[in-house]
Amino acid sequence: GAVVSQHPSRVICKSGTSVKIECRSLDFQATTMFWYRQFPKQSLMLMATSNEGSKATYEQGVEKDKFLINHASLTLSTLTVTSAHPEDSSFYICSASPTSSHNEQFFGPGTRLTVL
Amino acid sequence: KQEVTQIPAALSVPEGENLVLNCSFTDSAIYNLQWFRQDPGKGLTSLLLIQSSQREQTSGRLNASLDKSSGRSTLYIAASQPGDSATYLCAVMYGGSQGNLIFGKGTKLSVKP
Repeated sequence: GAVVSQHPSRVICKSGTSVKIECRSLDFQATTMFWYRQFPKQSLMLMATSNEGSKATYEQGVEKDKFLINHASLTLSTLTVTSAHPEDSSFYICSASPTSSHNEQFFGPGTRLTVL
Repeated sequence: KQEVTQIPAALSVPEGENLVLNCSFTDSAIYNLQWFRQDPGKGLTSLLLIQSSQREQTSGRLNASLDKSSGRSTLYIAASQPGDSATYLCAVMYGGSQGNLIFGKGTKLSVKP
């Protein structure tokens, strides 16, 4: 149990396009989902906290208008990278906390974004 | 199969003690290893990142070591404080800079005043 999926696993896009990444909790409901990114040779960093039915909370330095987060249901959160540029190329990973157990977090497999 | 194991699953110590958290990984061909802190209901906070070519990293009261040949890493916390109470996660990246991140299940630490 407690499986989190991400789609797509890899995406390559042209500069200026928008990319949507989906994060799904497959067998549990998640009130809270987290989005992270990791640049090469750097640590995984929290971007934003997404709560179902409300606006996401963004970490300092993360542009909310560029990284649109929607958490419309208890099993799905999406991250849209708008007008992507090469510097947005990174590894994006999500995690989900079960509604029944806020202390746990289950991670998706990640999405590798490459912007040409 | 690449797996990351953390021992112990939970640990309770009195304030002021030095402690060690353990992380082991099955495939020694890692790209890097990271230690994170997770507070209840919060996102992960990165503590230390060790590249595969490094042996250890230090930040304040924290020291993380890496022994690739034995597939082990330790996180040493000196002079523990109640504020250190949290779950500590170890994660290993395989496959180079374009690879995957695999997490251990964490060690839940409780530091009692």
